[in-house]
Amino acid sequence: DIQMTQSPSSLSASVGDRVTITCRASQSISNHLNWYQQKPGKAPKVLMYAASSLQSGAPSRFSGSGSGTDFTLTISSLQPEDFATYYCQQSYNTPRTFGQGTKVEIK
Amino acid sequence: QVQLVQSGAEVKKPGASVKVSCKASGYTFTSYGLSWLRQAPGQGPEWMGWISPYNGNTYYAQKLQGRVTMTTDTSTSTAYMELRSLRSDDTAVYYCARDLSGSFHYFDYWGQGTLVTVSS
Repeated sequence: DIQMTQSPSSLSASVGDRVTITCRASQSISNHLNWYQQKPGKAPKVLMYAASSLQSGAPSRFSGSGSGTDFTLTISSLQPEDFATYYCQQSYNTPRTFGQGTKVEIK
Repeated sequence: QVQLVQSGAEVKKPGASVKVSCKASGYTFTSYGLSWLRQAPGQGPEWMGWISPYNGNTYYAQKLQGRVTMTTDTSTSTAYMELRSLRSDDTAVYYCARDLSGSFHYFDYWGQGTLVTVSS
């Protein structure tokens, strides 16, 4: 199975900050990497797919980059509704695997 | 609008079975695959397997092979996931999710989740 490792596991930031979350795959996955946002008690919601494609309806302050084994999710200017847990997920092969999550908290 | 509505919370004893349903609406049920995922408290989601409502083909995660069965009823646009021989570490929120597949695969719509608690 492909292992997905996110860092940091949590971070504290203020509204308006630029935030970057990283995700590393245990083997090359090309650009088959998706990002999800999850708020407490809710299902995950897809933000980015194919590493850098913004899902319809997701705010443009979210962007993604990377290829191979190293990927990043960037929030250009953190908004109050962005405080949540973020997960990366590889869709290169099965089983589909997720990172352990990065919790973005209010500073 | 696309909706996936799941059945309610379940409490089961170790060794028992649970069957969770997922009713789809707002799209052609047979045109998209469905995955089932679960999320234990404080953990990331875990993919359990996939089913094609078009032809019933399934693909299960190896760790669950032999304990999980996924089925669909196209007459009611409903998918089902049955997990047998439940253990305490099966306690989790279970989700169905539409599996958008093309050049890239991702889960674009999710059910609201079903909490399954396994406890003696």
